[in-house]
Amino acid sequence: GAGVSQSPSNKVTEKGKDVELRCDPISGHTALYWYRQSLGQGLEFLIYFQGNSAPDKSGLPSDRFSAERTGGSVSTLTIQRTQQEDSAVYLCASSPLSGVGNTIYFGEGSWLTVV
Amino acid sequence: DQQVKQNSPSLSVQEGRISILNCDYTNSMFDYFLWYKKYPAEGPTFLISISSIKDKNEDGRFTVFLNKSAKHLSLHIVPSQPGDSAVYFCAASITGANNLFFGTGTRLTVIP
Repeated sequence: GAGVSQSPSNKVTEKGKDVELRCDPISGHTALYWYRQSLGQGLEFLIYFQGNSAPDKSGLPSDRFSAERTGGSVSTLTIQRTQQEDSAVYLCASSPLSGVGNTIYFGEGSWLTVV
Repeated sequence: DQQVKQNSPSLSVQEGRISILNCDYTNSMFDYFLWYKKYPAEGPTFLISISSIKDKNEDGRFTVFLNKSAKHLSLHIVPSQPGDSAVYFCAASITGANNLFFGTGTRLTVIP
């Protein structure tokens, strides 16, 4: 498809389990972002990838969160030992390399529920 | 610390009338501002943006106004349509930085 693709769309997991969320960005977009939105909150920045540069991990809330991007395309966000407060929608976004502005395009999100 | 604030969690407007959604920010370094629209169970979609060198940008029924001295921007929708009912997020960035800072959103309901 032409848009950002995320999987799974919904995930229910038990507390303490690990989860992996996948993002396939728009073809040709070099920048990739992960955000999350908890209930009643705004979108919270997690991590940013740009080409082959070192990722900006400044938004990751704890060391249980990690992400990688293979081959400059697909990205996986991993949450280890999930906690109930990790329940949120995890949104991936991508953008073309641009020196002006920062318009990013979101996928539909992966809804994570930790029980 | 919320650098982008949307103080109205919800707004109801009659079809055909103007919808005005407001957003305030605290960081004077922000130089690019965007509005995103989100329907339930979908990701946010880009709506309209404005650079800090402008004070107004118009696209069809949507106009964004920027008041840099007040650190305030607003989105006007005229005329409002029922299909505009969604959550609207304001976002801000610094050109060249990696992050967009989002507000908490305003849920707009357009009443037929």
